Amino acid sequence: DVKVTQSSRYLVKRTGEKVFLECVQDMDHENMFWYRQDPGLGLRLIYFSYDVKMKEKGDIPEGYSVSREKKERFSLILESASTNQTSMYLCASSFRGNTEAFFGQGTRLTVV
Amino acid sequence: GENVEQHPSTLSVQEGDSAVIKCTYSDSASNYFPWYKQELGKRPQLIIDIRSNVGEKKDQRIAVTLNKTAKHFSLHITETQPEDSAVYFCAAFINQFYFGTGTSLTVIP
Repeated sequence: DVKVTQSSRYLVKRTGEKVFLECVQDMDHENMFWYRQDPGLGLRLIYFSYDVKMKEKGDIPEGYSVSREKKERFSLILESASTNQTSMYLCASSFRGNTEAFFGQGTRLTVV
Repeated sequence: GENVEQHPSTLSVQEGDSAVIKCTYSDSASNYFPWYKQELGKRPQLIIDIRSNVGEKKDQRIAVTLNKTAKHFSLHITETQPEDSAVYFCAAFINQFYFGTGTSLTVIP
């Protein structure tokens, strides 16, 4: 079974804090993705990576950065958390090309 | 970039009836169209997918159709059951996944 694991299920952070969300996959997938899920807005892509140390901006990269130092790990960083970044964050991974994406269980982040 | 639109946003059906969810896409180069089901509090999971060289695919009670000319694809669920209640997302793939905004399906027993 493919496993995509996110480091936290629930997280509460204060405004201005630097926040790290970690994602690990065990299927040797080349592609990894970070999405934000908000009611009525679906899944919006923040960043994705198609290889180690490679990253591409998605639709809503502002206020976020990412790091992929190892193939299995993709980190999302909120440089200075703000209340409008309160959301559900989903990580996903897939093989290169048009194949199924597997999702992590999600991290519900609340910024107060 | 690609733009995927999904309708309806909410759908209620009686148990045993059929449910249809429709998506359109804008980029004719998109070549892979997966459908994901997300139950409350759980991660999205693939239920069916179709590639651009296929017009229809069926897996038991669910089917997907693709019209490349019109750039739309649809999910069909027959003989709906309460456990089909969930949010469904369509997506189009061209270098990355572009998701629709989701359809909340409620099956009324």
